[in-house]
Amino acid sequence: AQRVTQPEKLLSVFKGAPVELKCNYSYSGSPELFWYVQYSRQRLQLLLRHISRESIKGFTADLNKGETSFHLKKPFAQEEDSAMYYCALRTGGYQKVTFGTGTKLQVIP
Amino acid sequence: SAVISQKPSRDICQRGTSLTIQCQVDSQVTMMFWYRQQPGQSLTLIATANQGSEATYESGFVIDKFPISRPNLTFSTLTVSNMSPEDSSIYLCSVIGLRTEAFFGQGTRLTVV
Repeated sequence: AQRVTQPEKLLSVFKGAPVELKCNYSYSGSPELFWYVQYSRQRLQLLLRHISRESIKGFTADLNKGETSFHLKKPFAQEEDSAMYYCALRTGGYQKVTFGTGTKLQVIP
Repeated sequence: SAVISQKPSRDICQRGTSLTIQCQVDSQVTMMFWYRQQPGQSLTLIATANQGSEATYESGFVIDKFPISRPNLTFSTLTVSNMSPEDSSIYLCSVIGLRTEAFFGQGTRLTVV
């Protein structure tokens, strides 16, 4: 069965500091990985996904199949990045999505 | 993208009663998903609702407790039956877009007293 692990419940960083939100997954097939974000009083929404290999709001994430990781990174944190971040795994051929437990990012001014 | 309207946004219910949550999507979708998000925990999939067939429930969730309707390709309901305080949670409706990303409703915050 697939599993997504986010080891940190809370990550506090100062504004301008680098950010790395960790995500590890377990799945025997070819995974499709996503990062979702939930800002205060807003609904959960897609931030980025690995197959797009894009940078969104300065965030990037690289899929490392050897380490089964999909860490989310940003070189310089901004206050508006404060939110709840969820790593998610979608298994190929089926639309079921498995979510990690989430990491709350707090950017300190 | 898909726009999902979910209601009610919140409710406070007496134990032993039932609440039906509605989810409306602005486009036709094959599958709709219902999640539960308990305080401080991740999203847990309750069931997958397919139009024209019975919903598929995940381990730990049963139809008697969480009956689901899916009358057409844009609408679904989830009922939380015979509620207890342990059912207090946020319930979310979700669909998968054409680019395989998930879209979510704003959630229903349920408090059972």
